[in-house]
Amino acid sequence: SYVLTQPPSVSVAPGQTAIMTCGGDGIGSKSVHWCQQKPGQAPVLVIYYDTDRPSGIPERFSGSNSGNTATLTISRVEAGDEADYYCHVWDSATDLHVFGGGTKLTVL
Amino acid sequence: EVHLRQSGGGLVQPGGSLRVSCSASGLIFSNYAMHWVRQAPGKGLEYVSGISSGGGSTYFADSVKGRFTISRDNAKNTLFLQLTSLTIADSAVYYCVQGGTSTNLFLDSWGQGTRVTVSS
Repeated sequence: SYVLTQPPSVSVAPGQTAIMTCGGDGIGSKSVHWCQQKPGQAPVLVIYYDTDRPSGIPERFSGSNSGNTATLTISRVEAGDEADYYCHVWDSATDLHVFGGGTKLTVL
Repeated sequence: EVHLRQSGGGLVQPGGSLRVSCSASGLIFSNYAMHWVRQAPGKGLEYVSGISSGGGSTYFADSVKGRFTISRDNAKNTLFLQLTSLTIADSAVYYCVQGGTSTNLFLDSWGQGTRVTVSS
């Protein structure tokens, strides 16, 4: 089955830029989506189809996808951005959605 | 705004069964695929199952295939997950998730989650 690899943790100071990666074999040919999960809450979609933002998601959130790596970038990080971030794709080989292991973003 | 209200979780013994439900509002339910995703305590998200908008196609992770059944009642805007032959490894928060118009699109709105605990 398709495997997505995310670093377990990323730390950044307030006001700086957080970059979180999602690695997968040829992921650039797939549509990658990202969700944010704050402690004790349900996940919330923050990026879909590599680069699109749902309504209500700040422009500080952006995504890209190429080659073997997709990236979620959060500019001007705020304390409220501290959360776990998961990438996910649909695997056509199994007809199942696949999640990465998640990255915990810590705002220093 | 889409709202997914979940119910039916609880404590069950190993080998037991349970049904969780998800009542949807704020969308034309019959237009959208629906999914279940679970999260074991302290762990990441795991895709469990999906069902097409009309209910004719269903999909299951290998870890639950043959034990879980997904279904929907479009007349009542409700999604179900029947869990049988439960093991301790099935203990998790189960999330109902609205998908796109087909099952291979992104996972959009999430329910609040319902906790299933398998323990003797």
